[in-house]
Amino acid sequence: DVKVTQSSRYLVKRTGEKVFLECVQDMDHENMFWYRQDPGLGLRLIYFSYDVKMKEKGDIPEGYSVSREKKERFSLILESASTNQTSMYLCASSPLGPGGYTFGSGTRLTVV
Amino acid sequence: GQNIDQPTEMTATEGAIVQINCTYQTSGFNGLFWYQQHAGEAPTFLSYNVLDGLEEKGRFSSFLSRSKGYSYLLLKELQMKDSASYLCAVRDTYSSASKIIFGSGTRLSIRP
Repeated sequence: DVKVTQSSRYLVKRTGEKVFLECVQDMDHENMFWYRQDPGLGLRLIYFSYDVKMKEKGDIPEGYSVSREKKERFSLILESASTNQTSMYLCASSPLGPGGYTFGSGTRLTVV
Repeated sequence: GQNIDQPTEMTATEGAIVQINCTYQTSGFNGLFWYQQHAGEAPTFLSYNVLDGLEEKGRFSSFLSRSKGYSYLLLKELQMKDSASYLCAVRDTYSSASKIIFGSGTRLSIRP
């Protein structure tokens, strides 16, 4: 069964902390994505990557960075967590060409 | 600009039929997706349309009109487990990573 795995289901962090959210996929997909989902705002794209060491900004990259050192792993980094980054974070992957995303189960991050 | 519109909430009765509409305006178009998302869970893929017309998959069907920028998801023989949010999403052609843009979702409630 193909999978996208996010390392944590729930996280609580303090303001100012550096936070790492990890995502691993076992489908050999080229593309990987990080979204955040907030009530009334839907899914908003933070960053995506179409190859190892490649990254592109999405719609809301401010306050975030990413790392893709290996094809199967895509990490989202909050350099200095703030309360407005409290959200559900969803990782997804997709192959090149047509086809939709496969999502991870999500990480609900609370910044206090 | 990029915009995907769908109703915020809908209510329907168990055993009935419901149609969820979606209109979109995007810089490019390379397919439209519908995802289902139960509360607290990740979105799961339902359907994909890239050509005009109706795609049927069991109790669920999805329709696309590219000239009108319009799609709908039709759910038949509604069951209580169909209570969920339904996300309309469009793949644009702008970037090499096949970025998908999501609507805010339609929360569907099924009453007995």
